[in-house]
Amino acid sequence: LAKTTQPISMDSYEGQEVNITCSHNNIATNDYITWYQQFPSQGPRFIIQGYKTKVTNEVASLFIPADRKSSTLSLPRVSLSDTAVYYCLVGEGVAAGNKLTFGGGTRVLVKP
Amino acid sequence: KAGVTQTPRYLIKTRGQQVTLSCSPISGHRSVSWYQQTPGQGLQFLFEYFSETQRNKGNFPGRFSGRQFSNSRSEMNVSTLELGDSALYLCASSPTSGGVAGELFFGEGSRLTVL
Repeated sequence: LAKTTQPISMDSYEGQEVNITCSHNNIATNDYITWYQQFPSQGPRFIIQGYKTKVTNEVASLFIPADRKSSTLSLPRVSLSDTAVYYCLVGEGVAAGNKLTFGGGTRVLVKP
Repeated sequence: KAGVTQTPRYLIKTRGQQVTLSCSPISGHRSVSWYQQTPGQGLQFLFEYFSETQRNKGNFPGRFSGRQFSNSRSEMNVSTLELGDSALYLCASSPTSGGVAGELFFGEGSRLTVL
């Protein structure tokens, strides 16, 4: 399974854009890149998923370069409620039995 | 649509005891995965069930086991509890049956404390 590396923590301010980069050098051809958000004492919540290039939804964008060895989650105009831990995952998902490997996550602190 | 339900939410056990945790997936979801979350080790995959069959297992000792019923509800059991088993146990269900990687829907977890 591809291992992921992401920063341990990041600080930001309300209204700013937060970009979290995840490295996954040994990503496999069938692997997807998925990001989850987790608040204390809650289960992780799906944010976005992509395979290559750029994916955007109502809460975030995911940028994946051509070599797919890294990816960047972009959170536009963060608010205090975006303070959470963000996990980057690489794996085949359901097809491989959802054996997803969560890295250490990035703890994002949004300040007023 | 109801989310993933885990019971009990909190429990305290002593070393050597066993514990059974329950997970009810979202209606129609056939895949159920279990994860252990601790401050030191983060989120670790335990096992995944699909249509009552275990498809994948993480690197945990045999004391950790699970099963899935015909209605997709799942249980996990930890026998001979150790202090290190204290953790938040998370269950996740998935709507797809194969092919493209699917979105996981997590429950709020069962927090186990072993004394």
